[in-house]
Amino acid sequence: EDQVTQSPEALRLQEGESSSLNCSYTVSGLRGLFWYRQDPGKGPEFLFTLYSAGEEKEKERLKATLTKKESFLHITAPKPEDSATYLCAVQAGDMRFGAGTRLTVKP
Amino acid sequence: ETGVTQTPRHLVMGMTNKKSLKCEQHLGHNAMYWYKQSAKKPLELMFVYNFKEQTENNSVPSRFSPECPNSSHLFLHLHTLQPEDSALYLCASSQDTGGYGSPLHFGNGTRLTVT
Repeated sequence: EDQVTQSPEALRLQEGESSSLNCSYTVSGLRGLFWYRQDPGKGPEFLFTLYSAGEEKEKERLKATLTKKESFLHITAPKPEDSATYLCAVQAGDMRFGAGTRLTVKP
Repeated sequence: ETGVTQTPRHLVMGMTNKKSLKCEQHLGHNAMYWYKQSAKKPLELMFVYNFKEQTENNSVPSRFSPECPNSSHLFLHLHTLQPEDSALYLCASSQDTGGYGSPLHFGNGTRLTVT
């Protein structure tokens, strides 16, 4: 059965303190791995799609990487506005989501 | 309007009421989805429609009834709900369901409280 596990469940950082979020997955026939950002009271917002091991994508302070078993979302020098819940999802047939990592960046 | 719009944003209903959630997408997509989001749990897929045809019902209780009259509109009809059905209900769309790695575009959800 397809599984997606995100860690840590919650992460508190000081502004400027770089870190990484992890998404481990087991799936047969990966079509894509997705990262979303969700702010309180809003729906998830699409960030990245990664298709194959070794692929990397960047957007501002965020960089997503992919291996055959996991993906990392690296946050470089985060700002308070980066505070949100970050969701990882894998698509083989349907899109299966992890439970998310709640990131808080303190000024 | 652009993107995916959901109404109402908040809904409080009794266990014997009947209500409907509405979703409209302005992205020209062909697939639409209903997801349930509960605190600290992964998003749960409920229903999938592709080109107006229901392609998946993820063992959802019959008190939830979807309707997709066209590729732009999706409804979720609710009746005799239980308190454990209280959650954020998210609508999403994508180009289609067969595409290789098509991302989902979400609305901002309806926060449902069943009393």
